[in-house]
Amino acid sequence: QVQLVESGGGVVQPGRSLRLSCAASGFTFRSYPMHWVRQSPGGGLEWVAVMSYDERNTFYAGSVRGRFTISRDNSKNTLFLQMNSLRSEDTALYYCVRGTRDHYFDHWGQGIVVTVSS
Amino acid sequence: EVVLTQSPATLSLSPGERATLSCRASQSVSNYLAWYQQKPGQSPRLLIYDAYNRATGVPARFIGSGSETDFTLTISSLEPEDFAVYYCQQRSDWYTFGQGTKLDIK
Repeated sequence: QVQLVESGGGVVQPGRSLRLSCAASGFTFRSYPMHWVRQSPGGGLEWVAVMSYDERNTFYAGSVRGRFTISRDNSKNTLFLQMNSLRSEDTALYYCVRGTRDHYFDHWGQGIVVTVSS
Repeated sequence: EVVLTQSPATLSLSPGERATLSCRASQSVSNYLAWYQQKPGQSPRLLIYDAYNRATGVPARFIGSGSETDFTLTISSLEPEDFAVYYCQQRSDWYTFGQGTKLDIK
């Protein structure tokens, strides 16, 4: 079955960096676009970034563009999110999510908490 | 940015009753709308995509309808496991989510 396991979260001071990883299994990772979606402490969901299946294309939400970088290693079935210049408003539960060919989100990891606080 | 507004914020019903959840888009999203269910402590689960298509394994009591700016998720007869938070999401103009409707037991 599809499994997505995030790691790398934690507490970090504003302005610092953090790198999230997502280990994928149970499907042909290199065939699917992969996303990061975050959920704020209040419960709202926000799409963060996507990388195409072939690593050629990346797109970002305006709130993170220029600060976050999504990448993937198809040889290791792993997705990454490099987060720089973190702000308090980046505090959230970050989900690694598999995208469908119809541009929806059909499998979600359990999420990893990122807290940005001094 | 397409803003999705869900109503009501909270819906209190009993098992066996019919639930009707609404999602309104600030501009047309054609039929590019999905619904997700999230239970406490769990990740969201895709229920409906392209407005009315059920995802794999989703029971037939979950019915999606609508187009353009007005969408509805109907649960025809509530089961105990259906009480959760429901989110709509559009993919017409990048990706945005509604703020959620909490369906709780009356």
